[in-house]
Amino acid sequence: SALTQPPSASGSPGQSLTISCTGTPRDVGGYYYVSWYQHHPGKAPKILIYEVSKRPSGVPDRFSGSKSGSTASLTVSGLQAEDEADYYCSSYAGDNNYVFGTGTKVTVL
Amino acid sequence: QVPLVQSGADVKKPGASVKVSCEASGYAFPSYYMHWVRQAPGQGLEWMGLINPADGSTTLAQRFQGRVSITRDTSTSTVHMEVISLRAEDTAVYYCARSGYYSEAFDSWGQGTLVTVSS
Repeated sequence: SALTQPPSASGSPGQSLTISCTGTPRDVGGYYYVSWYQHHPGKAPKILIYEVSKRPSGVPDRFSGSKSGSTASLTVSGLQAEDEADYYCSSYAGDNNYVFGTGTKVTVL
Repeated sequence: QVPLVQSGADVKKPGASVKVSCEASGYAFPSYYMHWVRQAPGQGLEWMGLINPADGSTTLAQRFQGRVSITRDTSTSTVHMEVISLRAEDTAVYYCARSGYYSEAFDSWGQGTLVTVSS
């Protein structure tokens, strides 16, 4: 079953916002393999965070991740216009299975 | 990120099958799993399954077992994903994505292939 994310989130430029991703002990709660993706419509998704809180090279440090129990979070600090996109979490779920979140549409006001 | 180039858009009738390909380059093809992810119109991303290019073994999400197959051709560094018995609900953009560089995360993605199922 898909991980649960809020359908939408918004903030003004310069503000911070946090997106939650709630799973179960069989996925988010059971592994440190939570990742986050930014998806602009019509483009390929882009990795932002892996292993809960690590950033790939080239990803601004405005993006940060954390996890508590079966809920992971992505925080975007210093919101910029180009951050307006859909955001998805993903988790390893054991036995070579993976699951995505339901997605959150971020609007920069 | 590495280049993953997918085949072009396709239109199929209900009941038909479709095969989407994903050609990888710029890295050791057998060393990284390749996944398939789809996004139906207005919906979120959905993980479909993966292949280990080293030995061809696959894991499919339960809802796709029996209807989806994933294969690879190591001579061309290409992964193929076939869906049979297509229905309208299979209309989606299909992505291939690589994992293994950043552990279990999807570090590189194909450009996406739109498959439309319509009578």
